Amino acid sequence: GQNIDQPTEMTATEGAIVQINCTYQTSGFNGLFWYQQHAGEAPTFLSYNVLDGLEEKGRFSSFLSRSKGYSYLLLKELQMKDSASYLCAGYNFNKFYFGSGTKLNVKP
Amino acid sequence: DAGVIQSPRHEVTEMGQEVTLRCKPISGHNSLFWYRQTMMRGLELLIYFNNNVPIDDSGMPEDRFSAKMPNASFSTLKIQPSEPRDSAVYFCASSSNPTGPNSPLHFGNGTRLTVT
Repeated sequence: GQNIDQPTEMTATEGAIVQINCTYQTSGFNGLFWYQQHAGEAPTFLSYNVLDGLEEKGRFSSFLSRSKGYSYLLLKELQMKDSASYLCAGYNFNKFYFGSGTKLNVKP
Repeated sequence: DAGVIQSPRHEVTEMGQEVTLRCKPISGHNSLFWYRQTMMRGLELLIYFNNNVPIDDSGMPEDRFSAKMPNASFSTLKIQPSEPRDSAVYFCASSSNPTGPNSPLHFGNGTRLTVT
């Protein structure tokens, strides 16, 4: 199967760093994607990892360990606008399988 | 550039009625996906098309659901008859072929369906 697990909710302070973890069953995925979804809006693409290691993209970084079935999204210098849900998605044969998402609350 | 366009944005209907959701993918994208999002189950893939052909409909909940893609610029998702448990946000997404690291999914704004 493609069970993808993420924490349901997290809270962090403006200006801080937060790490959102994602674990999945190791079989089958060719890559791991992260999407951001503000309340009432569509998910938007943030980053992806195909190979093990860290991918950095401005304030956002994503890490993947395929052997461990583990990924995380790192958000630096948190801003209030980063309050949103963050969805982890495994990719396999033209299909994306999404986790339930982590709701991030950024407080002043 | 126009993104994925869905209509209507909101739909409220009574149980037993037919519901048709519409989607226009991004021009040039070969793959189209229909997802359903609820608090309980998150984002679920219902069906996806490649070059207008349905490839995998294993996520379609039951025979009450059907989807078509008559041409490269239009797709519909139909529920007949609708039931209260169908209430959810339905997203359409598209991508270039093949979908993957260099071609992520682009989502429409969704249709919020409420069946009373």
